[in-house]
Amino acid sequence: DQQVKQNSPSLSVQEGRISILNCDYTNSMFDYFLWYKKYPAEGPTFLISISSIKDKNEDGRFTVFLNKSAKHLSLHIVPSQPGDSAVYFCAASAVPNAGGTSYGKLTFGQGTILTVHP
Amino acid sequence: GAGVSQSPSNKVTEKGKDVELRCDPISGHTALYWYRQSLGQGLEFLIYFQGNSAPDKSGLPSDRFSAERTGGSVSTLTIQRTQQEDSAVYLCASSSRGQAYWDQPQHFGDGTRLSIL
Repeated sequence: DQQVKQNSPSLSVQEGRISILNCDYTNSMFDYFLWYKKYPAEGPTFLISISSIKDKNEDGRFTVFLNKSAKHLSLHIVPSQPGDSAVYFCAASAVPNAGGTSYGKLTFGQGTILTVHP
Repeated sequence: GAGVSQSPSNKVTEKGKDVELRCDPISGHTALYWYRQSLGQGLEFLIYFQGNSAPDKSGLPSDRFSAERTGGSVSTLTIQRTQQEDSAVYLCASSSRGQAYWDQPQHFGDGTRLSIL
């Protein structure tokens, strides 16, 4: 049961254009969402996050949009640069439940390989 | 400042041996998480520490896996009697405690690539 899904294994974009990476989730208890970028042989690097009380968060070239009713979020990169080429992971964490066992553990999607061509 | 540090970066060992992986979190981060990424798989949660206690061990795949954290800082993940299916990249992450303690981003180390022969 994959609670966070990134249905596009790969995306190819021209330099300067917009990159849109998508993520869907099924667990309605998720309330904090993050995007990470990962280069080979390195750990994931935090990019941007959004709380469920917002529908948009922007940081420089990166904007994350959250549609709670559709259980969908997306990451927009504008303009895309060749250095953005990496694997992008969507992740989510849930509100601690009554038993207090959630504790912010992240559930990750499978990742999308972004390639930005010069 | 210094990020999350993990050692060793690579470990190759024979099936049946015990291995110990180390994580040094960002200074001041009270929350520490272990994840692993097997070949072709996404990252999966293993265990969470708040301070020295581990309130969530739900991701540990078997009783061969254990972890501890001392002094609210360094953590070690131990795998006993390693099996080939334990081969993976083991990642450690830490986060600070925010207003709501689950809504702070986790910052990852570069991981330990474990290969079981």
